[in-house]
This record gives sequence, structure tokens and C-alpha cells, in this order.
Amino acid sequence: QVQLQESGPGLVKPSETLSLTCTVSGGSISTYYWSWIRQPPGKGLEWIGYIYYSGSTNYNPSLKRRVTISVDTSKNQFSLKLSSVTAADTAVYYCARVGVMATILSYFDLWGRGTLVTVSS
Amino acid sequence: DIVMTQSPDSLAVSLGERATINCKSSQSVLYSSNNKNYLAWYQQKPGQPPKLLIYWASTRESGVPDRFSGSGAGTDFTLTISSLQTEDVALYYCQQYYSTPITFGQGTRLEIK
Repeated sequence: QVQLQESGPGLVKPSETLSLTCTVSGGSISTYYWSWIRQPPGKGLEWIGYIYYSGSTNYNPSLKRRVTISVDTSKNQFSLKLSSVTAADTAVYYCARVGVMATILSYFDLWGRGTLVTVSS
Repeated sequence: DIVMTQSPDSLAVSLGERATINCKSSQSVLYSSNNKNYLAWYQQKPGQPPKLLIYWASTRESGVPDRFSGSGAGTDFTLTISSLQTEDVALYYCQQYYSTPITFGQGTRLEIK
């Protein structure tokens, strides 16, 4: 079955760029939209953005200025870059699959286990 | 942005009793073109990612026990657990996918009384 796995540094310094990768295994990255969602410790869920295998993206306006999501279909991976991070960006970052094919207006049916990224000097 | 507001923030229910969680959206999430409500429910246990329970407001995800049900339309929705089990202790979130940015409710913590 399809599985998602986040990877990347667990500690990032303030003002630097957070970089994470999500590897999709057991299925193709094509056909679906893929997303990043984050959850600060003890808080709720915040949608960051989507990417389609074609490279088309849609970002949360609250983060749009600092976010870049990209895809590498040859590796079945998609990635998140968040620039100029502060302590407020400390969170568990999840990658997730959109449940309905070829649309961004959907629920999330598959999630990675998440990775905690701490912003601290 | 569509604001999702859940109530209550926390809830304690006896084993075997009914648990009800409410979710209200700041605008309708019903698409008139297909008569579908763009609303999902998730369960999150400590140290785990959210798990999809319900989508299209009332469609149960495969493998989800039938004691979980979703109802509502437009702006007001409910997640009901008909007979609470110990494994249902968790945080529950609603999510709208009617428009971007996708937004979630603040969460409801469900405990055993």
C-alpha cells in the first residue's frame, strides 16, 4: 500500500531555510495532489500548500511569501522549503495525499508519520 | 478564509455512551453543483498523524468502525460516536475543503468519564 515518509533536519536556526522531503512508496506520485500540513506542539493543524505531479502549486496565503513546494517524479518525492524561519515555525510537519484524484478540493486520506522541526539557535 | 469552530473544546463521556462533537463553518461548504458538503473529520492519537474518519460530511472511510458517523449540511456538522470505546480517546478535528486555504477546526479532546 502507499506510504509517505518525511525526512530532513530536525533543528533549524532562526532566519534560515527549513527543508523537508516526502518520499512516496508503494505507488506513483502521479495523478494525485500532495500536501504539507504542520502542527505546532500542543496546537492544531495548519495547511501549508499543495503540489501536483505536473508541478502546479497552491499555497496558504499566510505562508505564501516564504514557501516553495516542488516535486521530483523520478524519485517519487516532493519537497518543502520554508524560508526565514522563526520559533513560530517549530512544529511537526506532515506530508499527506489528497484523497480525490486530480483536485485540490479534497480531504487527506494518507499521512506520513510526521517529523518535528525545531527552530532554535 | 473559512473559519471552522468546534464545540466543545473537550468532552468526557462514559464508556458505552454517546459522544457528540460539533463543527460550524463560517460559510457554507455545500457545493450546489454536486450537492456535496466539503467537510471531513479526523481522529488524532498522541504521537500519531491524523486519521481520516469521515469525508463528504457523512461517508465513513474504509475500515472505520460503524460506531462513528457524520451528519449535517451547509454550515453545521456533527461527529457522533454511538458507543464510546477506550480506543476512541483522542483529539478530533473537522476540516473544510470547499475552498483554499484549507482550514481545520481547533480540535476537540475526547476523554473517558
